[in-house]
Amino acid sequence: EVQLVESGGGLVKPGGSLRLTCAASGFTFNNAWMSWVRQAPGKGLEWVGRIKSKADGGTTDYAAPVKGRFTISRDDSKNTLFLQMNSLKTEDTAVYYCTRIIKGGAFDIWGLGTMVTVSS
Amino acid sequence: EIVLTQSPGTLSLSPGERVTLSCRASQTVGSSYLAWYQQKPGQAPRLLIYGASSRATGIPDRFSGSGSGTDFTLTISRLEPEDFALYYCQQYGSSPWTFGQGTKVEIK
Repeated sequence: EVQLVESGGGLVKPGGSLRLTCAASGFTFNNAWMSWVRQAPGKGLEWVGRIKSKADGGTTDYAAPVKGRFTISRDDSKNTLFLQMNSLKTEDTAVYYCTRIIKGGAFDIWGLGTMVTVSS
Repeated sequence: EIVLTQSPGTLSLSPGERVTLSCRASQTVGSSYLAWYQQKPGQAPRLLIYGASSRATGIPDRFSGSGSGTDFTLTISRLEPEDFALYYCQQYGSSPWTFGQGTKVEIK
């Protein structure tokens, strides 16, 4: 079964850090481009960033609100995607979804999401 | 940044009706890299359409997408009870990838 399972969410103070993990199964992870998408409570979807497969260069790209604070990485040996979040702000409060990218940028597989709350 | 504007904000319809959702981009979406998603309360979004008009795996053929350039449409030919949900468009033709604000399809 194709599956993405996020973990690592929780409550953190402004200025703090958190590392999210996404465990992938059921597909060839090392060939996949992967992405993080977030959704603030009661709001719409917001793309956070993406990482290409190593075969395609392994490069990353980020949305402006998180650039310089968030880092996406991958461990293909463990079929795992990471999102390192530093200097967190209250506006980063959201459910964070791990997604697989197909056809250049559509998200065909989604995890259930993990909630990140940034509050003092 | 390409801004996507979806209209209308909310549609109140009955099962069996035909529905057309609009997604307008502030700039041309390159290569028709436009996707549509369905989201139900408490669930992750589900990919319906990619490349403006290609149905994702397992999506019923009552869902269809069309359009190019700056104007895109998602059509549901006959609404089923399970289709009442939020719908988002997303462009991935240029970075940053962006989503529309969503259209809610509710039961009349």
